[in-house]
Amino acid sequence: NAGVMQNPRHLVRRRGQEARLRCSPMKGHSHVYWYRQLPEEGLKFMVYLQKENIIDESGMPKERFSAEFPKEGPSILRIQQVVRGDSAAYFCASSPPTRAGFGETQYFGPGTRLLVL
Amino acid sequence: GQNIDQPTEMTATEGAIVQINCTYQTSGFNGLFWYQQHAGEAPTFLSYNVLDGLEEKGRFSSFLSRSKGYSYLLLKELQMKDSASYLCVLHASGGSYIPTFGRGTSLIVHP
Repeated sequence: NAGVMQNPRHLVRRRGQEARLRCSPMKGHSHVYWYRQLPEEGLKFMVYLQKENIIDESGMPKERFSAEFPKEGPSILRIQQVVRGDSAAYFCASSPPTRAGFGETQYFGPGTRLLVL
Repeated sequence: GQNIDQPTEMTATEGAIVQINCTYQTSGFNGLFWYQQHAGEAPTFLSYNVLDGLEEKGRFSSFLSRSKGYSYLLLKELQMKDSASYLCVLHASGGSYIPTFGRGTSLIVHP
C-alpha cells in the first residue's frame, strides 16, 4: 500500500510564474490536508479537502492560492504569480474518513520544496 | 481557539531518558497526537491519546491529562537517530477537523 505521494519533490520558479503541487493520498483515504512549513517554523494549516469539496480553507491566503481535489486524480495546490515569500516546504497529508468525535491520524507525504528565485 | 506550548529545544545524552512536555488550551478536545519530524523530511505519526493516562509503544510513551491540558512524550534509551523535532498536535472538538500543530521541540541527542 503506497503512502502519500507528492510531486515534484523540488520545484524552482521565478517570480511571477505559477507553481503546481500535486498530492495523491493513500489508498482508501478521502481527506486531504495541505500545510506550509517555513524554515525553522512549525507546520501551518492551509486547506482541508474531500473529493470535489473544499471543507476548510481558512489557512489559505486569499489571493494567488487555490486548491482542488477532483473526483479523479490527485489534489492540486496552485500558486499563481509566485513571490519570494512563497518559498517553503509544502506538505500534503491524508486521512481516512473521520469518525465522529475523534481525531484521525494523518499520514504525510514527503513534501514539495518550492524555491522562488 | 486552540493554543499549544512546548519547549523549543532540548538536549540529551545517548542512552538516557527524555521527557518532552506539551501544554494546551482548547474549548473542546478530541485527541492529542505526537509526530516526529527529521530535518528535511515529513512528519511521521508516533502516538495518539484521547483518554487520560499513559500509552506505551516500545521506547516511546505518551501521557495525557485532559483536566490539566497537559501531555508529555517520553523517549527511553535514546539513540542518535532520535535527534529530530517532536510535534505536539491537538484535535479540537466542535465540528472542526483541522488539527493544530505546536511549533515542535527540537531534540538533540549527543554521544
